Amino acid sequence: GQQLNQSPQSMFIQEGEDVSMNCTSSSIFNTWLWYKQDPGEGPVLLIALYKAGELTSNGRLTAQFGITRKDSFLNISASIPSDVGIYFCAGQAPKLIQGAQKLVFGQGTRLTINP
Amino acid sequence: EAGVTQSPTHLIKTRGQQATLRCSPISGHTSVYWYQQALGLGLQFLLWYDEGEERNRGNFPPRFSGRQFPNYSSELNVNALELEDSALYLCASSFRGGSYNEQFFGPGTRLTVL
Repeated sequence: GQQLNQSPQSMFIQEGEDVSMNCTSSSIFNTWLWYKQDPGEGPVLLIALYKAGELTSNGRLTAQFGITRKDSFLNISASIPSDVGIYFCAGQAPKLIQGAQKLVFGQGTRLTINP
Repeated sequence: EAGVTQSPTHLIKTRGQQATLRCSPISGHTSVYWYQQALGLGLQFLLWYDEGEERNRGNFPPRFSGRQFPNYSSELNVNALELEDSALYLCASSFRGGSYNEQFFGPGTRLTVL
């Protein structure tokens, strides 16, 4: 089945530093989504990407849809304490593939920020 | 606009019992998805419902089942509960009409099996 490899698994940084995480897949995706999950809550959609090569920003967050359609990265600039949480990438396969409507999730990147 | 809602927030059951979890999608969304998130792990796809029909299911045993009602709300049932069923169960909804499939999540139901 489809799998996403997300890295790093965890990050410990100082407040103000930039953050970078990425997801790779052995198969292509039509859509890449990035979510953030706070403890005990559901994931919140941060950025959605629909086109290979697309670069999209949402405030201090920037994400790109890899040109091969098999990878994506998320950058956070000038981190602040409220950025703490778990970040998940998710991919959706092309519609012709059985079950394409479901999302495949990475294992998450846990971000910890030292003030 | 109200987001995805789930109930109950927490549910405590014992082994062998049955659990019922409920989800109301965002107004206008016709697709509902269920995911299981065990502690410290990623999200595992359980079920997808659209227009009242089960469209796809993940690699879970048949004792995980559900349904979608005419108002697009959904129920997840877990029979013969086992200890390893303890997890956060997340519901998401999306509007299936377009080419894109942004899924929006509810806050989850924390199921604890003792």
